[in-house]
Amino acid sequence: QSALTQPASVSGSPGQSITISCTGTSSDVGSYNLVSWYQQHPGKAPKLMIYEGSKRPSGVSNRFSGSKSGNTASLTISGLQAEDEADYYCCSYAGSSTLYVFGTGTKVTVL
Amino acid sequence: EVQLVESGGGLVQPGGSLRLSCAASGFTFSSYAMSWVRQAPGKGLEWVSAISGSGGSTYYADSVKGRFTISRDNSKNTLYLQMNSLRAEDTAVYYCAKDFGVTIFGVVIPQYSFDYWGQGTLVTVSS
Repeated sequence: QSALTQPASVSGSPGQSITISCTGTSSDVGSYNLVSWYQQHPGKAPKLMIYEGSKRPSGVSNRFSGSKSGNTASLTISGLQAEDEADYYCCSYAGSSTLYVFGTGTKVTVL
Repeated sequence: EVQLVESGGGLVQPGGSLRLSCAASGFTFSSYAMSWVRQAPGKGLEWVSAISGSGGSTYYADSVKGRFTISRDNSKNTLYLQMNSLRAEDTAVYYCAKDFGVTIFGVVIPQYSFDYWGQGTLVTVSS
């Protein structure tokens, strides 16, 4: 099972919106609406931001939203803030054998 | 408050073994599946292994299948990862992570994501 493909970096100015893509295959992203997104600041553990493609856990800002089309999932951060600068990873359920596959990760820079 | 505390990391020679532990608190441990996720230095996240709440079902990434064994002791609220035949490419921070589940009428419905993570323990495989 290969890692899901994400852009290495995305940047934006404060207040802008950015979108991070996560491209998989028909065996993972395309087969299940079970993509989650994680934010990781340097030296810290990942934090769940989105689950089941578009749902936000309690406490996560509504500036974060998720969607999916075909084999590609997306995370949009609106109203970009300095504290959003971090690495972001997507993760998809991939079936009863491999179970989960993570994306390659995207570094978000707030200009 | 949910807490996950990993231990057992360290320096080990190629071909050696190590056992990681993850002490859990703040939730009904036996009701939730648990996973190990690792991150090589400067690299991305990689799912390693998962185990059901009862311990009856286990799952592994191809990269560790046959070398690593996940287990749990629900009486001790502890998750384990036995790592054998270690290779340089196993060098990473190993995180334990709790599966996110929604409880409906007393039944935990998995949400196929990880809502709590430990702080990680570093495993270095080197001679």
